[in-house]
Amino acid sequence: DTGVSQDPRHKITKRGQNVTFRCDPISEHNRLYWYRQTLGQGPEFLTYFQNEAQLEKSRLLSDRFSAERPKGSFSTLEIQRTEQGDSAMYLCASSFFLLTRGYPAKNIQYFGAGTRLSVL
Amino acid sequence: AQKVTQAQTEISVVEKEDVTLDCVYETRDTTYYLFWYKQPPSGELVFLIRRNSFDEQNEISGRYSWNFQKSTSSFNFTITASQVVDSAVYFCALSGNTGANSKLTFGKGITLSVRP
Repeated sequence: DTGVSQDPRHKITKRGQNVTFRCDPISEHNRLYWYRQTLGQGPEFLTYFQNEAQLEKSRLLSDRFSAERPKGSFSTLEIQRTEQGDSAMYLCASSFFLLTRGYPAKNIQYFGAGTRLSVL
Repeated sequence: AQKVTQAQTEISVVEKEDVTLDCVYETRDTTYYLFWYKQPPSGELVFLIRRNSFDEQNEISGRYSWNFQKSTSSFNFTITASQVVDSAVYFCALSGNTGANSKLTFGKGITLSVRP
């Protein structure tokens, strides 16, 4: 059973460039989440998908950020015109979400190792 | 709005000592879920436990135990007989009970250092 994988693990870019990250979730998981973590802080929610539908976006997700999950499997997160403030660890998580008697029966989010972005 | 507070920022103990990591949360939901994750130096967040708000029974798993007290909105984590491999950042997190409120709200984390 492979876990969540993210690519690349590290990305160094110059301010103003575009970057794209990929996340491959655990195969049977229907939900996929993106979080951002800066130094000394806990992860902060960015957005999530159920299958291919993007159901929520955080205020942290500015217009320069876009995420897709075209076939309900892997997901990409693109940042356009990067700024130094975008430097952070970008974490992907996946879960199997199922409502049982109105409550999420599982929905334990399993995380990948993250992509560390440095904007120079 | 949901909030998780981990007031301790760094804890240093000597191997074999017991250590308790504190977590206090705020939520307006009547049903919610609490989590603990471990983040070793490699960076990957490792799931440790999920508890439902309607189940206040404490849980023990090996050297790990969790104390959930709804009356004080706390979900504390104790490591018994700590080991060097326990050195990591530990996050407490909270999520809602609906499909639309499943995202995790994390605390700032507690850095635990276990010295030999």
